[in-house]
Amino acid sequence: QVQLQESGPGLVKPSQTLSLTCTVSGGSISSATYYWTWIRQPAGKGLEWIGRIYTSGSTSYNPSLTSRVTMSLDTSKNQFSLKLSSVTAADTAVYYCARACSNGNCAATWGQGTLVTVSS
Amino acid sequence: QSVLTQPPSASGTPGQRVTISCSGSRSNIGSNSLYWYQQLPGTAPKLLFYMSNQRPSGVPDRFSGSKSGTSASLAISGLRSEDEADYYCASWDDSLSGWVFGGGTKLTVL
Repeated sequence: QVQLQESGPGLVKPSQTLSLTCTVSGGSISSATYYWTWIRQPAGKGLEWIGRIYTSGSTSYNPSLTSRVTMSLDTSKNQFSLKLSSVTAADTAVYYCARACSNGNCAATWGQGTLVTVSS
Repeated sequence: QSVLTQPPSASGTPGQRVTISCSGSRSNIGSNSLYWYQQLPGTAPKLLFYMSNQRPSGVPDRFSGSKSGTSASLAISGLRSEDEADYYCASWDDSLSGWVFGGGTKLTVL
């Protein structure tokens, strides 16, 4: 049973870069052809897809965030990560990492989420 | 403003059948599978339906999904108090080349 756990700073200053890591247990991120994805949810609001990364390392991002987002894999640590640059208060949200469905178009297994607040 | 449109709220009494709608366009629901997620209070979302009408193991058959054209719906029969949650629809959008979500529907069991 694959499990995912987000980690990273809970507070980021405006204009800085938000960095989160998702640690995968119960399976290797490089042993199967899956997409790994990030989704966020501002308090009291809906879900927003940030982007996904394939086990090959290829990525696709939400067009509204693509200029600020970078995703990467670290197969040695069985982790994948998210970097979001030039953050503002609008980036304050719970950030979830997830393993996508086999077709890559849905999130089958989710982490518990981590709250990131952007404030000075 | 979400790409997919859902009613913000829905309600029903225990035992009733309720439906939640999701409306999109040709570039998303009209040409791709539709997915439903359930988010219980204070928890991460959980995949409820994939490929429009397939339930992952563990999801009760009280839940059913359907899609027609650019719209879809989630039906819950035999409503229970533990079904009180937020429900989100989602799909791939060919124009945006990414996942899109509905704004979510808060289901209240009266």
